[in-house]
Amino acid sequence: GNSVTQMEGPVTLSEEAFLTINCTYTATGYPSLFWYVQYPGEGLQLLLKATKADDKGSNKGFEATYRKETTSFHLEKGSVQVSDSAVYFCALSDVASQAGTALIFGKGTTLSVSS
Amino acid sequence: GAGVSQSPSNKVTEKGKDVELRCDPISGHTALYWYRQSLGQGLEFLIYFQGNSAPDKSGLPSDRFSAERTGGSVSTLTIQRTQQEDSAVYLCASSLGGSGNEQYFGPGTRLTVT
Repeated sequence: GNSVTQMEGPVTLSEEAFLTINCTYTATGYPSLFWYVQYPGEGLQLLLKATKADDKGSNKGFEATYRKETTSFHLEKGSVQVSDSAVYFCALSDVASQAGTALIFGKGTTLSVSS
Repeated sequence: GAGVSQSPSNKVTEKGKDVELRCDPISGHTALYWYRQSLGQGLEFLIYFQGNSAPDKSGLPSDRFSAERTGGSVSTLTIQRTQQEDSAVYLCASSLGGSGNEQYFGPGTRLTVT
C-alpha cells in the first residue's frame, strides 16, 4: 500500500542554518505530494505542494521538488529562523489508492531552531 | 471566512462510554476527512466523505468507530465503548475535493479515555 517515510527527528539547528528534511514515498498511482506544518499550539496547515513529477512547491522560503525517479519530496530551506520551529509532516494523496484523496502522512519531524 | 471548526475541544470519558465528536467544514467544501493523531501512531486517516457518495471507511480501526455527514455539511464521528487506546487528537479536514487540493484542518478534539 501507499506510505510515506520521513527522517526521524528532532532536528536542532542554529538560526540561519540550512535545513533538509528527507521524505520518500511509495504509491500505486501518481500521487500529489504535500508538506504540512504544525506550529506549537496551532493546527495543521499546508506549507507547500506539488501535483506532478518535476514540479517544485515553494512557500515562506521552503522548497521541495517532486522527484519520481527517486520517489522523493525533500523539504529544504536555505536559512532557517526561530519562528520555523515546528513539526513538519510529509504527505501524499493518491486517487488510485484505497484511501482515495485522503492524506497519508509520514511520522513527522520536529524542528527546533535556536538563536 | 470561517475555517473548519470542531467540538468539543477536549473530551474526557470513562472506558466503555460512547462519545460523539463534531466537525463543521468550510462552506462549499464537498470533501470531508477525519484523521487521528496519537503519539504512537502519528497521523492516521480514518474516513472520508465526498459529496453524496458513500463514505470511504477504509481507515476505521474497528467497528466501534462510525461517522455520518448530514446534508453534505456537518459530520459526527462516533466511538462506541471507548477504550484507552482510543485516546488521541481527532482532526477533521475539508477540501474542494480532488487529490491535489489543499485540505484545511480544524483545531482537533483531544479525547482522553480514563
